[in-house]
Amino acid sequence: DGGITQSPKYLFRKEGQNVTLSCEQNLNHDAMYWYRQDPGQGLRLIYYSQIVNDFQKGDIAEGYSVSREKKESFPLTVTSAQKNPTAFYLCASTRSGNTIYFGEGSWLTVV
Amino acid sequence: AQSVTQLGSHVSVSEGALVLLRCNYSSSVPPYLFWYVQYPNQGLQLLLKYTSAATLVKGINGFEAEFKKSETSFHLTKPSAHMSDAAEYFCAVSGPIIQGAQKLVFGQGTRLTINP
Repeated sequence: DGGITQSPKYLFRKEGQNVTLSCEQNLNHDAMYWYRQDPGQGLRLIYYSQIVNDFQKGDIAEGYSVSREKKESFPLTVTSAQKNPTAFYLCASTRSGNTIYFGEGSWLTVV
Repeated sequence: AQSVTQLGSHVSVSEGALVLLRCNYSSSVPPYLFWYVQYPNQGLQLLLKYTSAATLVKGINGFEAEFKKSETSFHLTKPSAHMSDAAEYFCAVSGPIIQGAQKLVFGQGTRLTINP
């Protein structure tokens, strides 16, 4: 089945550690996105990518990094510079500006 | 720049009653508007979208929304609530599509509770 797969579903990060969240899509979508969701708040855009080997910062990019080496993959690294990383992270994708589809999300908790 | 305001972080209705979730937007360009639903610990699912065609948009699960430019509103309604409608609902606005990318700006969400 086509879709967006995020892994892992739950991830724990120690202080000072970098962690990477995986996002893979088999929908042949061109654009991919990462959003962060905090309780009681809407989604905020971290990074997005329109084509392979290109990406742009969103509204809250500090402390995060991404890569887009393949059309299907858009991993997000939460670096130690992100001081408050505990949140629900959502990956999304779209083809040529049509409807944006979301993955099932990943929970990141600092321990 | 675009922004979205959802009036009411929590709405509670009885099963079978009308559901009304309010959304007002601000946009400097003709907007695209969306309603998404999120069930616990899951991603977002598109309910419906407005893209400058008909002002009354019908979506999945019996939901619909009406675009009112004069009121800058895009309220979501359903005539008769069902227990399975209990979820978080997000309104979102987008500006023009640039190079295939569409940047959505989300409201803070409204949690809908259905009372038996």
